[in-house]
Amino acid sequence: QKEVEQDPGPLSVPEGAIVSLNCTYSNSAFQYFMWYRQYSRKGPELLMYTYSSGNKEDGRFTAQVDKSSKYISLFIRDSQPSDSATYLCAMNTFGNEKLTFGTGTRLTIIP
Amino acid sequence: GAVVSQHPSRVICKSGTSVKIECRSLDFQATTMFWYRQFPKQSLMLMATSNEGSKATYEQGVEKDKFLINHASLTLSTLTVTSAHPEDSSFYICSASLAGGLYEQYFGPGTRLTVT
Repeated sequence: QKEVEQDPGPLSVPEGAIVSLNCTYSNSAFQYFMWYRQYSRKGPELLMYTYSSGNKEDGRFTAQVDKSSKYISLFIRDSQPSDSATYLCAMNTFGNEKLTFGTGTRLTIIP
Repeated sequence: GAVVSQHPSRVICKSGTSVKIECRSLDFQATTMFWYRQFPKQSLMLMATSNEGSKATYEQGVEKDKFLINHASLTLSTLTVTSAHPEDSSFYICSASLAGGLYEQYFGPGTRLTVT
């Protein structure tokens, strides 16, 4: 079993829809959780970062962490074609700078 | 803030030659830099972790004599692919961890290496 599981998609939704991207993990020591967006042939861009259970909002993006269920989510409201990208979840343990990545979910927003 | 650059963005080289890729943190000091490799439609594969002024730590299966990493300062790390072969063709991405931060990594735009 992988430490971090992420549905690879592809996921296609119409413009304006709410998108839900999810990751589950097995290592209860993970404390820091990140979401990255990666456009084709570009490096990943840090979107959201959180270290506690609950919700964190930034514009159209909301990151949700449920440590009891070992489940994290990224919600995108009012999705736009420019949101079309691969989304990677990542996490690490306290004192460890190395990240453990999900496999990434390819998202396409259809105009 | 937290911008990481890579140079070159794309390079084509002949088999047997060496190629150097630079990674710079432009507006912050990075205690740790990371080098990843990414194949098409796959996730990132960590190759090595480098700390300024010390030897890099390589992941299992990564040849340290082939992929030379130098971390000369808090803003610069280099990856040299020595005696490159076509199977080394890939997308190489560096990242930097913010000194005093909470372990988040900021990625460069990547370097596409093609070995002919």
